[in-house]
Amino acid sequence: RKEVEQDPGPFNVPEGATVAFNCTYSNSASQSFFWYRQDCRKEPKLLMSVYSSGNEDGRFTAQLNRASQYISLLIRDSKLSDSATYLCVVNPFLTNDMRFGAGTRLTVKP
Amino acid sequence: NAGVTQTPKFQVLKTGQSMTLQCAQDMNHEYMSWYRQDPGMGLRLIHYSVGAGITDQGEVPNGYNVSRSTTEDFPLRLLSAAPSQTSVYFCASSNHLGGQVYNEQFFGPGTRLTVL
Repeated sequence: RKEVEQDPGPFNVPEGATVAFNCTYSNSASQSFFWYRQDCRKEPKLLMSVYSSGNEDGRFTAQLNRASQYISLLIRDSKLSDSATYLCVVNPFLTNDMRFGAGTRLTVKP
Repeated sequence: NAGVTQTPKFQVLKTGQSMTLQCAQDMNHEYMSWYRQDPGMGLRLIHYSVGAGITDQGEVPNGYNVSRSTTEDFPLRLLSAAPSQTSVYFCASSNHLGGQVYNEQFFGPGTRLTVL
């Protein structure tokens, strides 16, 4: 089992739609959680950190469920510019590295 | 600030050749790492460093060496290139928040390597 698993996608949605991605992690003591965005042939960039209480940044909402070991990302009112691959990232406990999910590809269509 | 820089952007090697991918950051970050990204696999950690003089292996270290003589630089060496090392390589850096908790990672633009 991979340490970090994501919905494989791809997700194809119309503009204005609401879309949600899930990510599960295997190390129950993981400490830090992030969502990154990666555009085609570019480097990943931080979209948002995920806090225990959940957090929102404009149209984006991230949730953490430690009991079930998953994090989620909700995108409301999708824009064409949201088309990208979304990477779930976890910092496992007692390690000094980050583990990435394989990514979920989102295409927002007019 | 230039952030994280990587050179070269593209490289073609023949099997058995060696080369060094360069990575530098100007943010005074303690933590630096190298990843490779292959289709359908996501980013996999090759090596990382928590400070000058300290390096450790990640998930896929075989065939690669690293060193960290300064805070700014973290080169990745391919000892004897193989076709299986054809990939996109990303270098990243971040602040260490204490314990084993890390902040946002900043990535370089990547190096696209093809081994024939």
